[in-house]
Amino acid sequence: GENVGLHLPTLSVQEGDNSIINCAYSNSASDYFIWYKQESGKGPQFIIDIRSNMDKRQGQRVTVLLNKTVKHLSLQIAATQPGDSAVYFCAENRGSGTYKYIFGTGTRLKVLA
Amino acid sequence: NAGVTQTPKFQVLKTGQSMTLQCAQDMNHEYMSWYRQDPGMGLRLIHYSVGAGITDQGEVPNGYNVSRSTTEDFPLRLLSAAPSQTSVYFCASVWLETQYFGPGTRLLVL
Repeated sequence: GENVGLHLPTLSVQEGDNSIINCAYSNSASDYFIWYKQESGKGPQFIIDIRSNMDKRQGQRVTVLLNKTVKHLSLQIAATQPGDSAVYFCAENRGSGTYKYIFGTGTRLKVLA
Repeated sequence: NAGVTQTPKFQVLKTGQSMTLQCAQDMNHEYMSWYRQDPGMGLRLIHYSVGAGITDQGEVPNGYNVSRSTTEDFPLRLLSAAPSQTSVYFCASVWLETQYFGPGTRLLVL
């Protein structure tokens, strides 16, 4: 069923520490995954993506890991900064070329000074 | 480039009123979509379009209509607003599987 909740899970991290945000996806046929960052009052912003033929992809200060066996996705943020405070969503594309994404409910990241 | 723009930023409607949420992009992207975002939930796809003249339903299409007469514009129409349509609405365009989101329209239906 649909995961409905009024309160987002929150991850509190000390500034400078690494953050790990997790996401479980539902469809084993999904072949493309994206992480988005959403700051208060703004639209989601693309962070990093990964295809199902990869296990790991690195960007600037961010790494996405994909475990297809357990249908799990994670976003690692190195040296977390106050500007990283936001809600983070994962999204899965359930079919090549359809552009029909299913979004997770999100995790709120709070960076403590 | 302005990217994806949405108007209005905020709107209050009474039950039964109609309105159109505007969305425009200047990146010449063929694919555009509309999502709604409710508290504590992920974005849910309402309608999408793969090009001018072509639209299709997403996950939660009931109560909404769309049209795509040009590549640039993709308006979302609420024919008879209901309190259940209170939400934040995001429009997005897609290029090479990357979605570019607009800033959103916050809609309150009383």
